[in-house]
This record gives sequence, structure tokens and C-alpha cells, in this order.
Amino acid sequence: QSALTQPASVSGSPGQSITISCTGTSSDVGSYNLVSWYQQHPDKAPKLMIYEGSKRPSGLSNRFSGSKSGNTASLTISGLQAEDEADYYCCSYAGSSTFVFSYVFGTGTKVTVL
Amino acid sequence: EVQLVESGGGLVQPGGSLRLSCAASGFTFSSYSMNWVRQAPGKGLEWVSYISSSSSTIYYADSVKGRFTISRDNAKNSLYLHMNSLRAEDTAVYYCARESSSSSSYYMDVWGKGTTVTVSS
Repeated sequence: QSALTQPASVSGSPGQSITISCTGTSSDVGSYNLVSWYQQHPDKAPKLMIYEGSKRPSGLSNRFSGSKSGNTASLTISGLQAEDEADYYCCSYAGSSTFVFSYVFGTGTKVTVL
Repeated sequence: EVQLVESGGGLVQPGGSLRLSCAASGFTFSSYSMNWVRQAPGKGLEWVSYISSSSSTIYYADSVKGRFTISRDNAKNSLYLHMNSLRAEDTAVYYCARESSSSSSYYMDVWGKGTTVTVSS
């Protein structure tokens, strides 16, 4: 299973909106509405930001939103803030059977707040 | 507070073995499936292994199949990863992560802070 493709970096000024894409295939992103997004600050554990493509965990800012079209999922951060500067990873469930199960992660995107 | 704390990482020679542990607290551990995910230095996340709440279902990534063994002890609220025949490419921070409670969804909602494994001579 190949990693999902994300842009290496995305930047924006405070208050702006940015969108991170996550491109997979018809075997993962395209087959399931099960894309999740994780935020990771340097030397910290990943934190769940979006699940099932567009749902936010309880208590998470509504500045973060997710969507999907075909084989590409997207994470949008609106009203960009300094604390949003971090690495972001998408992840897709890629199916399971008797002997096979897989999560596939994206290549990761570094978000810089200018 | 829901918490996962990994331990057991360290420096090991190629071909060696290591056992990682993950102590869970703040939730009913026996009700959740669990995962191990790793991150090589400067690289992205890689899913390693999954174990169901009762240990009845276990999966591995192809990169570790036959070398790593996942297990759990629900009485001790603990998850383990036994790693054998370690290679330089296994060098990474290893995270334990709780699987979502939904039977129809797949995502990891709680993560530990990780433990570092270095495979080098």
C-alpha cells in the first residue's frame, strides 16, 4: 500500500484559510469515507483533528474542516493562527479481510504561519 | 484523564530484540482495539499493527510481519509489541494509539507520547 500524497508544505498569514490535499486511490480514499487527519507539533504525539472525512472530535475548534471528492480528501484550516503551525497527516482505512488490514498515512504537510 | 504511556525503547543491535509496553489509564482498556504506529526520524507516520479488544483479531504491516508480535493484557491495562530480528530501518518513535470505539469507523483517537527505538551497531 503506497502512502497517500500530500503537498510537502503549505503556508498562510494569520487569519487566512489554507487547504491541504490528500490524494489516494480507489482502493483507499476513494472507497471509504474513512479519512482522518492528525496534527503533530515538533516532538509531540499526533492529535486527531478530523475523522470520517469531515467530523470533528468534541471540543475541537470549528476552524478545522474536512471534505472529500473522489480519491482526494482535503483539510481546511480557516482563520489561521500561530498555534496551527505544525505537521498534518491524513490517514485512510484501506480495507480488511481475514488476513489483511491496513491503514495508510499521507506523506505529511508542514503548515507554516507567516 | 485518558492516557497512554509507552516504555521499553532503547538502543539495540541489528538482529536483536526488544519489547515495548503501553500502559493505558482513564478508560476501559478491555473495550478498545489498539494500534502501534511508528515514525522514523524526519519521516511520516507508518501504521505497524492492530489488535482487537479480545486479542481475537491481529494484523501487521507487511514491513514487520513475521518479526513483530502484538499482544495485550487486559487485566493489566497494557499493550505490548515484541520486536525480533530488528533492522536499521526499524529505527523510529513508536506510538501506541487507541482505536475508535465505533464498529463502523476506523481512526485513532488517543495517542501516547511515544518511545524511541534505535537499531544500530
